[in-house]
Amino acid sequence: KAGVTQTPRYLIKTRGQQVTLSCSPISGHRSVSWYQQTPGQGLQFLFEYFSETQRNKGNFPGRFSGRQFSNSRSEMNVSTLELGDSALYLCASSLTLAGASTDTQYFGPGTRLTVL
Amino acid sequence: GQQLNQSPQSMFIQEGEDVSMNCTSSSIFNTWLWYKQDPGEGPVLLIALYKAGELTSNGRLTAQFGITRKDSFLNISASIPSDVGIYFCAGLPGNQFYFGTGTSLTVIP
Repeated sequence: KAGVTQTPRYLIKTRGQQVTLSCSPISGHRSVSWYQQTPGQGLQFLFEYFSETQRNKGNFPGRFSGRQFSNSRSEMNVSTLELGDSALYLCASSLTLAGASTDTQYFGPGTRLTVL
Repeated sequence: GQQLNQSPQSMFIQEGEDVSMNCTSSSIFNTWLWYKQDPGEGPVLLIALYKAGELTSNGRLTAQFGITRKDSFLNISASIPSDVGIYFCAGLPGNQFYFGTGTSLTVIP
């Protein structure tokens, strides 16, 4: 069974631009969560999508948004990029929503975003 | 938000030694997960724990879900060079995972 895939793996943008990242979960998994990882802040939760609906959201500004398609693939968008948005963006897939009794998250390789 | 304290922050050990790290939380968790992350890659799941007191092994790795449900431990026995990396704990108190700050492990051959 294929793992979680993320595209692109690397991205360089300039301040003010916008970016879209893509995540394909493990086949059969319906939940996709997004995280931002930086050396200073560690892994920070952005949001979780399940059945094409955002079910939970972390403490990030509205410039960070996402969506999920009927095939469970998810995209994350960051508008008006700032230098501080440089990070590794990870998506994780689960069979169901976080909170299930035997929930487990599997991560993709991440997208390394550099904002200049 | 939830605070997950992971210790130690870093470890330098000789090949063959055993390693122990732990995570503690300020509230009760329902699930504990342990991951290993190599540079430039995503975290890889090592062990998942779902019940207080549960002890689970994966090869040389053993993890335990603390009885109080506020902590978890990961032990690595007979370390080898490929154990190098950053180990993260993740806990689920409700409907969102929270992550520890990571333990950076260096194994000296």
